[in-house]
Amino acid sequence: EAQVTQNPRYLITVTGKKLTVTCSQNMNHEYMSWYRQDPGLGLRQIYYSMNVEVTDKGDVPEGYKVSRKEKRNFPLILESPSPNQTSLYFCASSAGRTSYEQYFGPGTRLTVT
Amino acid sequence: SQQGEEDPQALSIQEGENATMNCSYKTSINNLQWYRQNSGRGLVHLILIRSNEREKHSGRLRVTLDTSKKSSSLLITASRAADTASYFCATDRQYGNKLVFGAGTILRVKS
Repeated sequence: EAQVTQNPRYLITVTGKKLTVTCSQNMNHEYMSWYRQDPGLGLRQIYYSMNVEVTDKGDVPEGYKVSRKEKRNFPLILESPSPNQTSLYFCASSAGRTSYEQYFGPGTRLTVT
Repeated sequence: SQQGEEDPQALSIQEGENATMNCSYKTSINNLQWYRQNSGRGLVHLILIRSNEREKHSGRLRVTLDTSKKSSSLLITASRAADTASYFCATDRQYGNKLVFGAGTILRVKS
């Protein structure tokens, strides 16, 4: 089944404790993105990647890091989480040049206390 | 920056009625996409309309795009209770890698 998976689905952590949210897709997609969703603000793009080793900032990259060492994986790293990073996070992928529709993961609900 | 803005913020209709949601945006685009989200779950792609298209249909969905007014509308005909969800428009400025989403319209279809 074609899908985007994220782990963990729920995470409660404390300020400053480094964490990683994993994202994996099995569709051989070139493009991958991370978004955060906050009430009233819709989805805002954090980072995106057009291919392995190619990443770029989205609209709200501060406090986040990403890497794309393999085509299927695109982890999101919070080196020192803060309470304002409490949010619902989504990973998405798309084929890129052949199709622009994005496939979303199920989401990761992060709470930073 | 939030490119797309949906209107209305919330819409409540009876099953069988049509639902219309509007989206306005600010800058030029390559395509505009509509997505559906069921309560806290991942978004699901509904339809994409390219900047050189004016209207597109997919099943009970009809999307229009007016690039001169920088606006789009999504019409769901003969709505069903299962259509209850949030609907988002997303503008694509860079061919698939920089989607900008609006805040969404919450649609409730009463049975």
